[in-house]
Order: sequence, then C-alpha cells, then structure tokens
Amino acid sequence: EVQLLQSGGGLVQPGGSLKLSCAASGFTFDSYAMSWVRQAPGKGLEWVSIIINSGSDTYYADSVKGRFTISRDNSKNTLYLQMNSLRAEDTAVYYCAKESHLYGDPLDYWGQGTLVTVSS
Amino acid sequence: QSVLTQPPSVSGAPGQRVTISCIGSSSNIGAGFAVHWYQHFPETAPKLLIYGNTNRPSGVPDRFSGSKSGASASLVITGLQAEDEADYYCQSYDMNLSGAKVFGGGTKLTV
Repeated sequence: EVQLLQSGGGLVQPGGSLKLSCAASGFTFDSYAMSWVRQAPGKGLEWVSIIINSGSDTYYADSVKGRFTISRDNSKNTLYLQMNSLRAEDTAVYYCAKESHLYGDPLDYWGQGTLVTVSS
Repeated sequence: QSVLTQPPSVSGAPGQRVTISCIGSSSNIGAGFAVHWYQHFPETAPKLLIYGNTNRPSGVPDRFSGSKSGASASLVITGLQAEDEADYYCQSYDMNLSGAKVFGGGTKLTV
C-alpha cells in the first residue's frame, strides 16, 4: 500500500524558515517524480514544486522560486521542502504527492497534508 | 487568477447529472497537454478521479467521466449521490511555465 507520511509543519514568524518532510513507502521511491502542492485558507490547490526521480532536476512556481528548495533522499525514501524567507501568503496546508507513470503524469497518491502558518 | 478557469460552484439533486468545465488556453490544454481531475474533501488528501482526459483509475465509479475538446475539458458526474459533495479541480501543464503543473481554481459541488 502506497503511503506518504508528512511531518514538519507548524507556526513560524515572517522571514523564518521551516522544513517539511514526506516519508514514502509502498512503492519504488526512486522511480517516481514527486511534487509539493499547497492550499491556502479558503483557496484552491496551487502547485509548488517538483523534483524528478533522480533528484537532478527541480522546478518551482514563480511564487516560491528562490525561497523554497525541494530535495529528496532516495536512500531514506523521503522528500523534503526547505522553506526560507517565509511570508504570510505562504500560510497553507502543504501536500506531498507522487507523480504517476500513467498518461499525462497525474498525481496519483497524496500525503495527509501539513499546516504551515506564517504569523507574528 | 488561475491559469485554468472553473466555475466556483455547481449543484444538482440526487440522481441528476452535472458538468464541471475547465477552460484553458493554447499554452496548456489547447497545446495538447493532458487534463486530470481530482476530488477533494475538506481536511483530507485530494484523490485522483480522472487522468489523461478520459481515464478512470481503478476503483473510481463509472458515474465519473472526463472529456477534452480544444482548449477546454469537462468532468461529468451522473447519478449524483450525496457523497459526491466535494471540491473538484482540473490540472494540466502549461508550456509557458517551465515544469509547472497548473490547477484550476476548483469547483464546489453541492448535492
């Protein structure tokens, strides 16, 4: 059974940093790209970042480029999101998600979500 | 402002049929990129409902179907059930946003 278990959310002050983790099990982690997607309060889903299976290529939404860093440790089956220079508008539930090899590469499994609150 | 445009809300009575539209442009859906649909209940993880425009993952009832034409896509739900009440999102890629998946703004379905 595929499982994505997230940790690391919480309350942080503006300008602060936080690192999210997503521990994967039930599939061959190093064969799949992984994404982070967030949902701000009362808003829709927003794609944040993606890292390919080897970790050698990463992409970011313009809203987080230069502040967030996605990474993965394939030896630990774990995905990370390092968030720096956090702003109030980064407040959201963050989901990690596995990219499928199905046609069009949809996100077929999602973590349970972790709340990040940026506030003084 | 989302790259993909969805109606904020739709509604229907039990047993009825509803359609949720997803309107894109020549840089995303119109460029031939696949459209996926997700079902999202509050406080839970989103669930893949339709992938590659028209395909249902294993376990998704055939009451849910997807289509794509030009720069737009649609999700159709027939035989509405109370448990279908949720938020629905379309998702694709945009060639103007390097590596970026793009989501629609979401549609709240009320049954």
